[in-house]
Amino acid sequence: DQQVKQNSPSLSVQEGRISILNCDYTNSMFDYFLWYKKYPAEGPTFLISISSIKDKNEDGRFTVFLNKSAKHLSLHIVPSQPGDSAVYFCAASAVYGNKLVFGAGTILRVKS
Amino acid sequence: KAGVTQTPRYLIKTRGQQVTLSCSPISGHRSVSWYQQTPGQGLQFLFEYFSETQRNKGNFPGRFSGRQFSNSRSEMNVSTLELGDSALYLCASSLRLDRDNEQFFGPGTRLTVL
Repeated sequence: DQQVKQNSPSLSVQEGRISILNCDYTNSMFDYFLWYKKYPAEGPTFLISISSIKDKNEDGRFTVFLNKSAKHLSLHIVPSQPGDSAVYFCAASAVYGNKLVFGAGTILRVKS
Repeated sequence: KAGVTQTPRYLIKTRGQQVTLSCSPISGHRSVSWYQQTPGQGLQFLFEYFSETQRNKGNFPGRFSGRQFSNSRSEMNVSTLELGDSALYLCASSLRLDRDNEQFFGPGTRLTVL
């Protein structure tokens, strides 16, 4: 029972264009969402987060949008750069503590 | 400041054996969480420790266990290994338990069960 789903296993984007990574969740108790980026042979690194009291959070080239009614969030990267090529994980949290529920990940390839 | 370190980085075992993985958190971090990453499943939460106490546990069989020492270092143990236990095991540390606290991940231990 996957409570957090990333339905696109991979995405290919041209350098300079926008990358949009999507994530859906089923547990209505989730109220804190995060995106992590993972390069090969390294652990995931935190990218950006959003609380359910907001519908948008920006950090430089990265923006996360949250649509609570649709139980959907997305990560926008503008402009995309070759160094952004990595696996992106969406994660969600519902309770006190650090337990995160992760999606399966989306491989992003940015072509130069 | 040194990051999260995990040892060993790679491990090959056979079915039925047991294995112990180690995680050293960032200095000063008291919370350690463990995750299993397999292709197509993403990261699945195993357990979380804070001040030597298990605070949270995921849906894994009892063959998976862990502990945390007084210096916050943590170990996880898997007994009676099965082929399906082949995965990347990731450890993450954070300063405190609250979820607004960023988790820092180690590079992982790649376990292969033959």
